[in-house]
Amino acid sequence: DQQVKQNSPSLSVQEGRISILNCDYTNSMFDYFLWYKKYPAEGPTFLISISSIKDKNEDGRFTVFLNKSAKHLSLHIVPSQPGDSAVYFCAASPSNTGKLIFGQGTTLQVKP
Amino acid sequence: DSGVTQTPKHLITATGQRVTLRCSPRSGDLSVYWYQQSLDQGLQFLIQYYNGEERAKGNILERFSAQQFPDLHSELNLSSLELGDSALYFCASSASLSGGPIYQETQYFGPGTRLLVL
Repeated sequence: DQQVKQNSPSLSVQEGRISILNCDYTNSMFDYFLWYKKYPAEGPTFLISISSIKDKNEDGRFTVFLNKSAKHLSLHIVPSQPGDSAVYFCAASPSNTGKLIFGQGTTLQVKP
Repeated sequence: DSGVTQTPKHLITATGQRVTLRCSPRSGDLSVYWYQQSLDQGLQFLIQYYNGEERAKGNILERFSAQQFPDLHSELNLSSLELGDSALYFCASSASLSGGPIYQETQYFGPGTRLLVL
């Protein structure tokens, strides 16, 4: 039973355009959500997070939106750059626990 | 560089053997987490330690064990290895300074140890 789902295995966008990565979850006990970026042969790198009490969080080119009623979150990257090409993982944390439940990842390719 | 270090970077061993993976958390972080990334399962939470004590367990096999030492580094021991244990093993750490329930903390990941069981 996959509690965090990233339904798009891959996404390709043109440099300078917006990249939108999506994530759905099923467990209403999740109250903290994170996005990580991963290059091959490296560990996941933290990008941005959002608490369940918010519906939006911005950090530079990265914005995360949370829709609790739909149990959906998305990561927007504007403008996209070739260096953003990587695998992006959505992760969720249940209340009062430290463990992260990860989605399967979406491979983003930003074309010059 | 996240500040989390893991050794060794690569490990090749045979079925039935035992290995130890080592993790040093970021300076000052009290919580250490272990994750396994295999091709078909994605990133799976194994276990968490906080200041030397086990705090949470995930899908960790009985053949696997972990501990966190007084200097806060952690080791993951994998025994009676099987071909299916071949995977990337990541360690992460978070501050957990309050000592209370772990709540909405960002985890920072190390570079991982790639284990190949032949």
